[in-house]
Amino acid sequence: ETGVTQSPTHLIKTRGQQVTLRCSSQSGHNTVSWYQQALGQGPQFIFQYYREEENGRGNFPPRFSGLQFPNYSSELNVNALELDDSALYLCASRLMDRAHSAKNIQYFGAGTRLSVL
Amino acid sequence: KQEVTQIPAALSVPEGENLVLNCSFTDSAIYNLQWFRQDPGKGLTSLLLIQSSQREQTSGRLNASLDKSSGRSTLYIAASQPGDSATYLCAVRLGTNAGKSTFGDGTTLTVKP
Repeated sequence: ETGVTQSPTHLIKTRGQQVTLRCSSQSGHNTVSWYQQALGQGPQFIFQYYREEENGRGNFPPRFSGLQFPNYSSELNVNALELDDSALYLCASRLMDRAHSAKNIQYFGAGTRLSVL
Repeated sequence: KQEVTQIPAALSVPEGENLVLNCSFTDSAIYNLQWFRQDPGKGLTSLLLIQSSQREQTSGRLNASLDKSSGRSTLYIAASQPGDSATYLCAVRLGTNAGKSTFGDGTTLTVKP
């Protein structure tokens, strides 16, 4: 049990639609990252939010956007869905703390499996 | 650009065997390296985190080592069990503020009874 929950667990959409995925972080974790994992591959970094501001982004187009809320929840929004967006989407939370590096362990949720038809 | 490679992609061993999984990375200026386990269709479970200043970490039957200068980490699993069957992923982070962890594609381990 990582303390990070994601919803929904599975989702089916059609090409061109929009989707919102949700993540509830561990209490006190000020940082959340989102990853996309295609079948048989390692997770690819989408972006990170720290104290409700985006502070890092991978090679994903602007139609991937996010929000982080004060209550340790966050969202990943994807517009104009494409077939290649079908993947497992993972969120990971951590406490960004320079003084206590051991707290930088990332805790992952179980993911949302998105299928785009 | 940091690249992470895990070899082999798949490994099958009999129960009880000791085994080593490998992870290599191209940029040695890492902040930490984390090993994860992933069961089919599931999220990632953290196994061990090694800071850049550390050489190894141990948890139960697992031991992870880190050699930054050569860009390599190994995960040693002692006395493997069928319940160890899963995909093992390593991820490297370049800085504490850096959002990006770069993952390898994993090694899928099967332990046969």
